[in-house]
This record gives sequence, C-alpha cells and structure tokens, in this order.
Amino acid sequence: AQSVTQLDSQVPVFEEAPVELRCNYSSSVSVYLFWYVQYPNQGLQLLLKYLSGSTLVESINGFEAEFNKSQTSFHLRKPSVHISDTAEYFCAVSWPGFGNEKLTFGTGTRLTIIP
Amino acid sequence: KAGVTQTPRYLIKTRGQQVTLSCSPISGHRSVSWYQQTPGQGLQFLFEYFSETQRNKGNFPGRFSGRQFSNSRSEMNVSTLELGDSALYLCASGGGTGLRDGYTFGSGTRLTVV
Repeated sequence: AQSVTQLDSQVPVFEEAPVELRCNYSSSVSVYLFWYVQYPNQGLQLLLKYLSGSTLVESINGFEAEFNKSQTSFHLRKPSVHISDTAEYFCAVSWPGFGNEKLTFGTGTRLTIIP
Repeated sequence: KAGVTQTPRYLIKTRGQQVTLSCSPISGHRSVSWYQQTPGQGLQFLFEYFSETQRNKGNFPGRFSGRQFSNSRSEMNVSTLELGDSALYLCASGGGTGLRDGYTFGSGTRLTVV
C-alpha cells in the first residue's frame, strides 16, 4: 500500500538553528509531494509542493524541500528557524491520475522553537 | 479573494444525534474535499466532490455522507454520532488544476460528541 512516513513526531530546535523535518513515502509510480503547516486552532496552509522538474523547491518564508526519487524522500529544511515557525508540519502525497484528487498525509511533526 | 469558510467553528453533540457541517469553497473552485483530523488517526480523507458529483471516497462507514450544491458549497453529514467521531473536520477547496495548485483548507469545524 502507498503510504507516507514522518519519523519524528516532535522536533525541538533552538532559535536561529537549522532544522530538517523528514518525510518518506512509498510508491512505485510518480507522485506529487506537499508540505503543509498547521498553527494552533487553524487549518492547514500549503508551504510548498513538488510536481515535477527541479527537485529543490522553496517557499516564501525560507523553507525548502528536496525531492529524492532514489530514497523516496521529501525532507523539509530551514537554515535558521524563528519563534514564529512553531507549528505542526505535515507531509502529504498524491498520486496524479484522473479522478484521484486526494491527499494522503503523514502523522505530522511538531516543531518547537526554543528561545 | 475570500478563503474557505467552514461553519460552525465549534459544535457539541450528544451520542446518537446527527450533525451537518458546511463548507463554502473559494469562489470559482469546483472541488471540495473533506478530511477528519484526530490525535489518534491523524488526517484522513473522507470524500471529494466535483461539480456536484462525489468523485472519491475514503474508508469511512456509511454514517458519513456529503453533498455538493450547484454553487459548489458542500455539506457533510454524520448520522448516529459516536464518541469516536469527535474530531476536527477540515474542508479543502480545489481550483481548475486541482492538486497541482495544492488545496486551500478552511479553519475547520471542531466536533465534540459527548
């Protein structure tokens, strides 16, 4: 079965330190990959996505993720985190195809920034 | 442009009752998906509607149903509520290119079943 794995349920990081949130997926066919962020008492916000082409994708707030087909990974990174990055981050995958418009989510990683 | 509007934001119901949740997608979007979020099961896909037709369905019992109207607004209904139905229900709005643009989520309806 196709699935998404986020190995780290919680990641504490000091402010201004770098962070990597890991995401692995299992699939034998092409996929779309997404990272969403959820702040307390809010819905999900799209952070960035990989559809095809360049394997490195960036968001407007300094996050980036790299698609690695051989390792079936899509890890999220930021070189220097800020207090405002405290949130839960979800990796999601979709298998493009007619009528298959659904996202399969990982279990989430709670990022806590330590001042 | 206005975002995705979900009403109500909070709801408390008694076991055995039924409930209807509403979602208004972004203007012009024709796809509406519903997800259930719980601490134990995480985010799970319920169903997706496109132009008033259910296009995809997740692995939920028949007590969970939905519909979409001609103005793309969608409702989700849960009958015979169980304690385990307590969750945050999220609605996602999709445009013409669907997932290629990524979905826009609403703030959710938090349902508590007592």
